Amino acid sequence: NAGVTQTPKFQVLKTGQSMTLQCAQDMNHNSMYWYRQDPGMGLRLIYYSASEGTTDKGEVPNGYNVSRLNKREFSLRLESAAPSQTSVYFCASSFRTVGTTEAFFGQGTRLTVV
Amino acid sequence: TQLLEQSPQFLSIQEGENLTVYCNSSSVFSSLQWYRQEPGEGPVLLVTVVTGGEVKKLKRLTFQFGDARKDSSLHITAAQPGDTGLYLCAGGRDSNYQLIWGAGTKLIIKP
Repeated sequence: NAGVTQTPKFQVLKTGQSMTLQCAQDMNHNSMYWYRQDPGMGLRLIYYSASEGTTDKGEVPNGYNVSRLNKREFSLRLESAAPSQTSVYFCASSFRTVGTTEAFFGQGTRLTVV
Repeated sequence: TQLLEQSPQFLSIQEGENLTVYCNSSSVFSSLQWYRQEPGEGPVLLVTVVTGGEVKKLKRLTFQFGDARKDSSLHITAAQPGDTGLYLCAGGRDSNYQLIWGAGTKLIIKP
């Protein structure tokens, strides 16, 4: 199916380990986003990329890095995982219609750090 | 700081009842989106409203954007078990590419 594809779907890490979450979209969208979702807190923006070649910090960037590899792909890296990073991570993309920013989401990565 | 406040946080009602979910802010938005998220899935866009006072209908769901573009509501008529999910509102601004998200309303419709 067309849309936003995230890998992996599930991951368990030990404290201090590193990993990269992959995201790809096939809708020719300009903007891409990484969010984390924790119970009762809604979606919090980690990083975003308004267009190919640019990345910016969101609300909660500490402990994460990102790479906009090309227009389709946007990866999120945890260099040294901590239990506080246990969460569900969502990648999203949008075309950036003037006056609106409609987002399309992947199915999420459920990450547990022990 | 939660710029978009959703209420109620949790709602459990019987099939066939009506309900309204609210999304309020002190800030003005250029657009307001509503998403539904089912367990184990990402949020899926339901509707976008962009004009103050705008009303959009999607079958039994009615969405309204406040006249001042600071608030929105979602009304469901004759709720069905298939309406169960987490409903999220998100506000957009012309000045940047980010969406401001509410914390969500968890809705359970009991058969």
